[in-house]
Amino acid sequence: DTAVSQTPKYLVTQMGNDKSIKCEQNLGHDTMYWYKQDSKKFLKIMFSYNNKELIINETVPNRFSPKSPDKAHLNLHINSLELGDSAVYFCASSQGTPSHNIMVFGPGTRLTVL
Amino acid sequence: TQLLEQSPQFLSIQEGENLTVYCNSSSVFSSLQWYRQEPGEGPVLLVTVVTGGEVKKLKRLTFQFGDARKDSSLHITAAQTGDTGLYLCADAGGTSYGKLTFGQGTILTVHP
Repeated sequence: DTAVSQTPKYLVTQMGNDKSIKCEQNLGHDTMYWYKQDSKKFLKIMFSYNNKELIINETVPNRFSPKSPDKAHLNLHINSLELGDSAVYFCASSQGTPSHNIMVFGPGTRLTVL
Repeated sequence: TQLLEQSPQFLSIQEGENLTVYCNSSSVFSSLQWYRQEPGEGPVLLVTVVTGGEVKKLKRLTFQFGDARKDSSLHITAAQTGDTGLYLCADAGGTSYGKLTFGQGTILTVHP
C-alpha cells in the first residue's frame, strides 16, 4: 500500500495553462506539505497544512493555491504556469514531535512547462 | 536564515570503499535528519539525531552529530551499489509541524 501518493507522476504543459496536482496519504497523519525540488536538487517547503488548516505559507507566488478538503488530502493548483515553475513537486505528511518527527514523502510530480 | 552546507557535492566510488559526507549549519540545529533520495523517488528518512555528540548506527551507516549541534557526518562502510542516491541533511525547525530546511545534498554514485 502506498503511504503518500501523488498524481500525476509527470505533467508536461504549455506556459499560461492552469494545472493541478493531487496528493493523498493513508498514514493517518495530521500534517501535510508541499515541497519543491529544483533542477539542482534543492528542496524547499512551500506549504504546510495541519488538520486542513494552513500553517506554513512560504514566499510562494499566489498563482500557487493549496487546498485540503480533508486531512488525508492536499492538492496543489497552479495558475498561469511559467517556465520557472518547472520542477519536481513533492507532497509529504508527518506526525510526531520535533525530535521524533517522521516525515514521509510521496514519489513526486515532475512538472515541465514549455 | 539558516544555511545548510553539504560536502562533497558529488562523490563517485567503487563498491566496497568507505566514505563520509558532511553537513554543516550556520546555526544550531533544532534536530537533524538525514534522508536518502533515489532517482525518480521521494526522500526517505534514514535517521533523526537530537543530542550533541550523539552517534547512531543503521547497518553499515553511522551518523554522528557534533557536540555543538552545528554539524553532522554520515559514514558508510563497504559501500554497495544500492547506496547510490542523493543524501540530504535537514533541520526539523523545532516546531511541531515539521518544516524542514534542507541542504543541497551529496550525490553518491557507487560503481560495481
